[in-house]
Amino acid sequence: KAGVTQTPRYLIKTRGQQVTLSCSPISGHRSVSWYQQTPGQGLQFLFEYFSETQRNKGNFPGRFSGRQFSNSRSEMNVSTLELGDSALYLCASSFMTSGQYNEQFFGPGTRLTVL
Amino acid sequence: AQKVTQAQTEISVVEKEDVTLDCVYETRDTTYYLFWYKQPPSGELVFLIRRNSFDEQNEISGRYSWNFQKSTSSFNFTITASQVVDSAVYFCALSGVTTDSWGKLQFGAGTQVVVTP
Repeated sequence: KAGVTQTPRYLIKTRGQQVTLSCSPISGHRSVSWYQQTPGQGLQFLFEYFSETQRNKGNFPGRFSGRQFSNSRSEMNVSTLELGDSALYLCASSFMTSGQYNEQFFGPGTRLTVL
Repeated sequence: AQKVTQAQTEISVVEKEDVTLDCVYETRDTTYYLFWYKQPPSGELVFLIRRNSFDEQNEISGRYSWNFQKSTSSFNFTITASQVVDSAVYFCALSGVTTDSWGKLQFGAGTQVVVTP
């Protein structure tokens, strides 16, 4: 079974631009979560989507948004990029079942550099 | 609010030594899940183990073992007979089952493990 894939792997943008990152979950996984990892703040939860609905959101400004498609693929968008948005963005998928929390499987990440 | 504390920033060992990683968590949930993940230099987080709050049985899986003690809110992880390939950052994570926890892992700061030959 193929793992979680993320594209692109590396991105360089300038302040003020916007960026879209893509994530394809493991086949059969309907839950997709996004995380931001920085040296200063560590791993922080951005949001989670399940069946095309955002079910949970972390404490990030509205410039960070996402969506999920009917095939469970997900995208996240960051508008008006700031220098502090430079980070590794990780996507994770999970096979959610009622009453049980299953582990998340992570993709390789997208390394975003904002100049 | 949930919180995970990994007090050890870095641990350096020589190959074949055992390594124990500490993890202390805080949660008000009665049902919750605990995880350990490994992040090698490539950057991808690799799932290692999961435990739920109702199962305090400690287990061994190959060179990995874990010690879950609900009374002290600790979930420690041990690598036996470490190898150079074990060099990575190890994260402890926590999740609840309430709506504000859906899809969300609360991670600790991570512990860098360096294994030298």
